[in-house]
Amino acid sequence: DAGVTQSPTHLIKTRGQQVTLRCSPKSGHDTVSWYQQALGQGPQFIFQYYEEEERQRGNFPDRFSGHQFPNYSSELNVNALLLGDSALYLCASRTQGALDIQYFGAGTRLSVL
Amino acid sequence: ILNVEQSPQSLHVQEGDSTNFTCSFPSSNFYALHWYRWETAKSPEALFVMTLNGDEKKKGRISATLNTKEGYSYLYIKGSQPEDSATYLCAYQTGANNLFFGTGTRLTVIP
Repeated sequence: DAGVTQSPTHLIKTRGQQVTLRCSPKSGHDTVSWYQQALGQGPQFIFQYYEEEERQRGNFPDRFSGHQFPNYSSELNVNALLLGDSALYLCASRTQGALDIQYFGAGTRLSVL
Repeated sequence: ILNVEQSPQSLHVQEGDSTNFTCSFPSSNFYALHWYRWETAKSPEALFVMTLNGDEKKKGRISATLNTKEGYSYLYIKGSQPEDSATYLCAYQTGANNLFFGTGTRLTVIP
């Protein structure tokens, strides 16, 4: 049983470009959340998808958008990249039970030059 | 923005030593407290989810306690081993199900 998988592992972009990160949830999970971990910080919640809709959103600008597909996989899109968007982006999946443990992927390391 | 604080920021201990770290969180709107263990280049691994004041959880040599009234949780590692070296993250969960993470405690166990 594969856990949460994310692609790509590493990515280098330049300012102003757009990027798409991908996440496949753990088998049986229907809810996907995205987090950003900047250097020296804890992961910060970006948004959560369930039933192909954004259900909750953290304090991130509209440049950050996402999508969830019928197979529960998800994408995170970031437009007009800034240097400050350089971070590790983590995807986590769970079922909809409130106390269900979130299972994390290993992340995508994004560097914006 | 909810403030979740972890201390110490980093810790070096000798193999066989026992150690503990602290997670402080807001006592209002509490739903659950999560602990994760995160080894470099791997995925964060869930250790415990605790909900009730006074909860104690144990997994092998690792245990955790929870005080929701005063807003803190302790993680204990008994007889530290080199394989315990990792960053330990706590996350506070509100009723809205979002996780608010601390910055972690980086543990290094010296053989």
